[in-house]
Amino acid sequence: NAGVTQTPKFQVLKTGQSMTLQCAQDMNHNSMYWYRQDPGMGLRLIYYSASEGTTDKGEVPNGYNVSRLNKREFSLRLESAAPSQTSVYFCASSGVRGSPLHFGNGTRLTVT
Amino acid sequence: AQSVTQLGSHVSVSEGALVLLRCNYSSSVPPYLFWYVQYPNQGLQLLLKYTSAATLVKGINGFEAEFKKSETSFHLTKPSAHMSDAAEYFCAVTPGSGGSNYKLTFGKGTLLTVNP
Repeated sequence: NAGVTQTPKFQVLKTGQSMTLQCAQDMNHNSMYWYRQDPGMGLRLIYYSASEGTTDKGEVPNGYNVSRLNKREFSLRLESAAPSQTSVYFCASSGVRGSPLHFGNGTRLTVT
Repeated sequence: AQSVTQLGSHVSVSEGALVLLRCNYSSSVPPYLFWYVQYPNQGLQLLLKYTSAATLVKGINGFEAEFKKSETSFHLTKPSAHMSDAAEYFCAVTPGSGGSNYKLTFGKGTLLTVNP
């Protein structure tokens, strides 16, 4: 089982460049999420999609956009990268309400 | 509103010793509580969850946690640490009764080191 797959695993950007982080799940989950993880900060929710066709802001949405392409795929876009967006980004998915999250292995992004 | 406090950003134990990782929560409604583990360069994996059934919850790899409403705590324990338990552990809370994961709040994590 692949579970949640994220690409790329690593990325280095210059300030102002754009990029899209890709995420796909094969568990037929309705809900998908994007988190960022920074040292000493835990995980913070950027955006989520409760179901196909819907997206909503999380705790730290500024500087990001998302697309729920279909039930399987949920992408995160940085339009103009800033050094403050240097982080590890995790995609996750979940099934019925209250069920646990399933995480991908993360994308380590550095913005110089 | 809800919050999670993990006491101790770093805990160090000897192999074979008791592991105790502390988590206190606040929630205005009965909560669902989770412990996740993160090994280096990987995503988080579910260790165990409390969803208002038994207050003592058993998880994978010999870990368990006890929900104590009076103390608003959900501490994680393991009787005997193994080297393979070295990882970062996260406590998380969400409103119960079918609470949505977009309301999931994570603690800041506790890094567990196991010494030989």
